Amino acid sequence: QLQLQESGPGLVKPSETLSLICTVAGDSISSTSYYWGWIRQPPGRGLEWIGSIYFTGSTYHNPSLKSRVTMSVDTSKNHFSLKLTSVTAADTAVYYCARVWRHCSIGGCYPFDYWGQGTLVTVSS
Amino acid sequence: EVVLTQSPATLSLSPGERATLSCRASQSISIYVAWYQQKPGQSPRLLIYDASNRATGIPARFSGSGSGTDFTLTISSLEPEDFAVYYCQQRSDRLTFGGGTKVEI
Repeated sequence: QLQLQESGPGLVKPSETLSLICTVAGDSISSTSYYWGWIRQPPGRGLEWIGSIYFTGSTYHNPSLKSRVTMSVDTSKNHFSLKLTSVTAADTAVYYCARVWRHCSIGGCYPFDYWGQGTLVTVSS
Repeated sequence: EVVLTQSPATLSLSPGERATLSCRASQSISIYVAWYQQKPGQSPRLLIYDASNRATGIPARFSGSGSGTDFTLTISSLEPEDFAVYYCQQRSDRLTFGGGTKVEI
């Protein structure tokens, strides 16, 4: 059974960098069939796609966040990571990682069929 | 950017009733819509992709339809576990989600 688990600090100071890792168990992150994605959800609000990455390092980004987002893959550890720079209170959210099918258009791939449980990241001094 | 507008925002129904949820796109997105269910404190769960294809393990009471700009998720007979928030998502343009419809008792 595929499992994804987000890990990282739950509290980040304004202007600093948010860093999260998603560890994948039960499937190889090097699978040619899938991308791996990040989605966030501010408390009490809807879902926002952040970006997706293939095991080769190929990426799709949400243009609204692209300048602050870096994603990477570590196939030896079967995990992928997210860095979001210059965070503000508006970046406070539950951050999810997910597996993404390679059904892709110019803007990205979908759907997201397996999700991690999510991790709450609060931006506050 | 394609904007997805979901309606109604809240749907108040009883178990056994039929639920019809709408997702309207600001421009044509072919069939590239997925639907997700999210219960409080849980991650979203994929229900439907490419407008009408049920994901693995999803009960037959869930069905999707539509193309172009208008899409519908139908739950034929609500079970107690179906009361949740439902989101649509598109991939025709950069990935975006609708604002959600809450199905409540």
